[in-house]
Amino acid sequence: DVKVTQSSRYLVKRTGEKVFLECVQDMDHENMFWYRQDPGLGLRLIYFSYDVKMKEKGDIPEGYSVSREKKERFSLILESASTNQTSMYLCASRQSSYNEQFFGPGTRLTVL
Amino acid sequence: QKEVEQNSGPLSVPEGAIASLNCTYSDRGSQSFFWYRQYSGKSPELIMFIYSNGDKEDGRFTAQLNKASQYVSLLIRDSQPSDSATYLCAVSYTGGFKTIFGAGTRLFVKA
Repeated sequence: DVKVTQSSRYLVKRTGEKVFLECVQDMDHENMFWYRQDPGLGLRLIYFSYDVKMKEKGDIPEGYSVSREKKERFSLILESASTNQTSMYLCASRQSSYNEQFFGPGTRLTVL
Repeated sequence: QKEVEQNSGPLSVPEGAIASLNCTYSDRGSQSFFWYRQYSGKSPELIMFIYSNGDKEDGRFTAQLNKASQYVSLLIRDSQPSDSATYLCAVSYTGGFKTIFGAGTRLFVKA
């Protein structure tokens, strides 16, 4: 059974803190993605990685960075959290562009 | 810029009716088409995928693809209250890494 896990379901941080969101997949997938989802705005791509140590900016990369040191793990980093980064963060993985993405359960981040 | 458009809804249908969800896309280089269902507070889960023109059926769900007209649709037969959710249309492109998601259509099935 395929599985994508995320380190936290709920997270509360203070403005200015450095925040790490971890994502792990057990399917040996090549591609991994980080999205944020806000009401009325749909899914917005922050960063994606098509291979280990490879990363590409998505549509809204400002204020975020990523790390992919191992194939199964893709981390999203908020260098200095701000209140406008309060959102639902979703990680996903897939084998190739022909295939569907599998989503993790999401992390609801609140920045106070 | 590649786009995927969906009617945001909400679409309301009575229990037992057919729900029809539509999606249009802008790029003719599109290769793979997906429908995801997302319950409130949950992450998206795959319902159907389709690669070729025509219909693809899986239980109560039918995906329809028309590449000439650049649209893809999802039909839900015998709609149930448990089908009430947001349905996301997604499109992947030949040689591309990104999947483009529509904003989703909210479906309500009234008992």
